[in-house]
Amino acid sequence: DAGITQSPRHKVTETGTPVTLRCHQTENHRYMYWYRQDPGHGLRLIHYSYGVKDTDKGEVSDGYSVSRSKTEDFLLTLESATSSQTSVYFCAISTGDVGNQPQHFGDGTRLSIL
Amino acid sequence: QKEVEQNSGPLSVPEGAIASLNCTYSDRGSQSFFWYRQYSGKSPELIMFIYSNGDKEDGRFTAQLNKASQYVSLLIRDSQPSDSATYLCAVTPNSGYALNFGKGTSLLVTP
Repeated sequence: DAGITQSPRHKVTETGTPVTLRCHQTENHRYMYWYRQDPGHGLRLIHYSYGVKDTDKGEVSDGYSVSRSKTEDFLLTLESATSSQTSVYFCAISTGDVGNQPQHFGDGTRLSIL
Repeated sequence: QKEVEQNSGPLSVPEGAIASLNCTYSDRGSQSFFWYRQYSGKSPELIMFIYSNGDKEDGRFTAQLNKASQYVSLLIRDSQPSDSATYLCAVTPNSGYALNFGKGTSLLVTP
């Protein structure tokens, strides 16, 4: 158990509303990641963080923002949700001191945008 | 975007047989290679990682890496029905901190 908690686990919302997903870790790891997983596309990186207030974009960052004000929490925000953002969102942490170490995933958030 | 390619399957093997899962990658500078197992509706679970050319064994699992051919594989010996899942190959690019994932291979182990 890598000590990762994602919340909420499920959410249904309407187009145009803001949505924030939370990832919480208990072990003070430096690197945290947000991925989305869609049929036919596999897992794709949205944003990642390499420390408090240090974040960078991934492959599919448009329409998403992130924040990391504390080591243990990494937030993903959809400012104005669209139906194309319906997906399963996974948070991951890297257990090493550099980012190319194994990553461990949270249980995921299933998000539906109607 | 660097490519990580896997055959989508399904790969069907009988119980007790060896399952062989393959992955190729395009970034020649890739440093780290991972295999994840994902059951339907669940999150990916790390089962193997390998950094150097050659074989790495852990129980019934063997990861094989050939950097010259840009190829990494996973062998599952004595396959069990509980091994039925999607197996994801992931690669860390030379310059990055994140993983590039293949789309996964679906494995079905039949009793």
